[in-house]
Amino acid sequence: QKEVEQNSGPLSVPEGAIASLNCTYSDRVSQSFFWYRQYSGKSPELIMSIYSNGDKEDGRFTAQLNKASQYVSLLIRDSQPSDSATYLCAVSLYNQGGKLIFGQGTELSVKP
Amino acid sequence: KAGVTQTPRYLIKTRGQQVTLSCSPISGHRSVSWYQQTPGQGLQFLFEYFSETQRNKGNFPGRFSGRQFSNSRSEMNVSTLELGDSALYLCASSQTFRSGNTIYFGEGSWLTVV
Repeated sequence: QKEVEQNSGPLSVPEGAIASLNCTYSDRVSQSFFWYRQYSGKSPELIMSIYSNGDKEDGRFTAQLNKASQYVSLLIRDSQPSDSATYLCAVSLYNQGGKLIFGQGTELSVKP
Repeated sequence: KAGVTQTPRYLIKTRGQQVTLSCSPISGHRSVSWYQQTPGQGLQFLFEYFSETQRNKGNFPGRFSGRQFSNSRSEMNVSTLELGDSALYLCASSQTFRSGNTIYFGEGSWLTVV
């Protein structure tokens, strides 16, 4: 079993819809959780970080964490064509903050 | 505030050669980590340095090595290059090694081995 798993997609949503991206992780001592966005040919860009159970909202983005289910998700409201990218879920363990374990990424396509 | 700076951005090397990549972290950041990204394997952790000491190492052969200098700048070296080493090499920096720190990535160094 991979440590961090994401649906590879592609996930296609119409402009203005909500895009839902999911991620599961296997290590129960995972402490910090991140969502990065990566455009083709570019480096990952941090969108959200979340450390405790529940929801965290930042603009059109909401991250949700459920440690009991070992599940983290990212919701993108009012999706725009510019949101089309690969979304990477990453986790880090306690005292290993510089070591991110990434999922394979989910490709999101927002259709105008 | 300047971001993470990586040089060179693009390079082409021949099998058997060695390569050195450089990374300057964000000012004030003391933790630098390196990642390799390939289409097949995705983003994989190489190693992490903090205060000139390697704190973590990923599952890569000994041909991959790194170091960090007293000003937090870091270099990674790959010796005896193989075709499979062709990848995007990403450097990331954060303030400390503790979990919960925000990690920022540089633009990466694109390495092609021919």
